[in-house]
Amino acid sequence: DAKTTQPPSMDCAEGRAANLPCNHSTISGNEYVYWYRQIHSQGPQYIIHGLKNNETNEMASLIITEDRKSSTLILPHATLRDTAVYYCIVRVVRNTDKLIFGTGTRLQVFP
Amino acid sequence: DGGITQSPKYLFRKEGQNVTLSCEQNLNHDAMYWYRQDPGQGLRLIYYSQIVNDFQKGDIAEGYSVSREKKESFPLTVTSAQKNPTAFYLCASSSDRNTEAFFGQGTRLTVV
Repeated sequence: DAKTTQPPSMDCAEGRAANLPCNHSTISGNEYVYWYRQIHSQGPQYIIHGLKNNETNEMASLIITEDRKSSTLILPHATLRDTAVYYCIVRVVRNTDKLIFGTGTRLQVFP
Repeated sequence: DGGITQSPKYLFRKEGQNVTLSCEQNLNHDAMYWYRQDPGQGLRLIYYSQIVNDFQKGDIAEGYSVSREKKESFPLTVTSAQKNPTAFYLCASSSDRNTEAFFGQGTRLTVV
């Protein structure tokens, strides 16, 4: 199964862009990269997902490298409410269907 | 409102008792999942179901059982065989393998 590697923690000033990196060097060709975030004691919230192309929605942008071995989640204008644990996840669908979670990055947005 | 409902939010049980956690969705999703989260850890897959009357074991299925008699419901039973049942349990659903999964707000189970 593909695994993801993320820095354990990051800080970001309010109003600035938060760039969260993720390595997934063993990802397979048909496996999507998903990003979720979790605020303490709540269920994970979906942010964005992609396969090969860069993606953008109202919450964030996802930049995937051409070799698909890494990606970056960009929160363009971080707010205090963006403080959470961010999970970069590979969805394995060969003979199964599961989101493989790592330990995530704890993003702290400060005033 | 459409969504996933888990109940109860907090649950206490005595050691040796079976307990069933509820998960209901009104999103008309075919697939449903159960995950377990321990403090400071990511989520681990317990069971998943891609269609009614069918389900598959995840990575940590021992000591758990599920049923999928209705599309909307996917209850999880934590049996007395589960050695460390105290954890945060999360249910999710998705329409297919290429779309996002939506999570419920979780049930925190404490076994004393």
